[in-house]
Amino acid sequence: TQLLEQSPQFLSIQEGENLTVYCNSSSVFSSLQWYRQEPGEGPVLLVTVVTGGEVKKLKRLTFQFGDARKDSSLHITAAQPGDTGLYLCAGSPGAGSYQLTFGKGTKLSVIP
Amino acid sequence: GAGVSQSPSNKVTEKGKDVELRCDPISGHTALYWYRQRLGQGLEFLIYFQGNSAPDKSGLPSDRFSAERTGESVSTLTIQRTQQEDSAVYLCASSIDPGAFSPLHFGNGTRLTVT
Repeated sequence: TQLLEQSPQFLSIQEGENLTVYCNSSSVFSSLQWYRQEPGEGPVLLVTVVTGGEVKKLKRLTFQFGDARKDSSLHITAAQPGDTGLYLCAGSPGAGSYQLTFGKGTKLSVIP
Repeated sequence: GAGVSQSPSNKVTEKGKDVELRCDPISGHTALYWYRQRLGQGLEFLIYFQGNSAPDKSGLPSDRFSAERTGESVSTLTIQRTQQEDSAVYLCASSIDPGAFSPLHFGNGTRLTVT
């Protein structure tokens, strides 16, 4: 069974601060997705990373896929209250696989 | 509609009753998934439908759980003889096709509370 460990589990920061959340596994994934989920809503896809060492930027969010494709990180610069939510990583074992393994998430609160 | 629609949004039921949850996927999406999200836990895969192929039911936790999908349209998830441990948010997602690179589009879920 492939597992994804996310850390920290909870994070509360002031507006304007930077932060990094992590997604780690002992297994190799062919791709990894990051989602953000707000209360009462379903997760929304932020990014998919597919190549070891890949870095993708989405405005103030920077996503990195580890060289060995076992881990990923999400860095947010100058966090804003609108970034508040549950951040979930999800890994796929193979390009043709429809099964995603989800981590438990990092709950981020950005205080104005 | 433009997104995945789930109903009801909330359901409170007594232990032992049956419940039926509905999912309307995005039109044209061939793949449909059901996930369960318990408080403080990640998303737990339940079942997957792809076109007219046999569904992957490997994630269903017990034989009290079943799901159907008619073609590439609506799906229903049925839980018989509900138990308190069934309390969770049940999320439905669809994607245009299966595969690791197709993003999942989630509905807002049905919050099930078993009393």
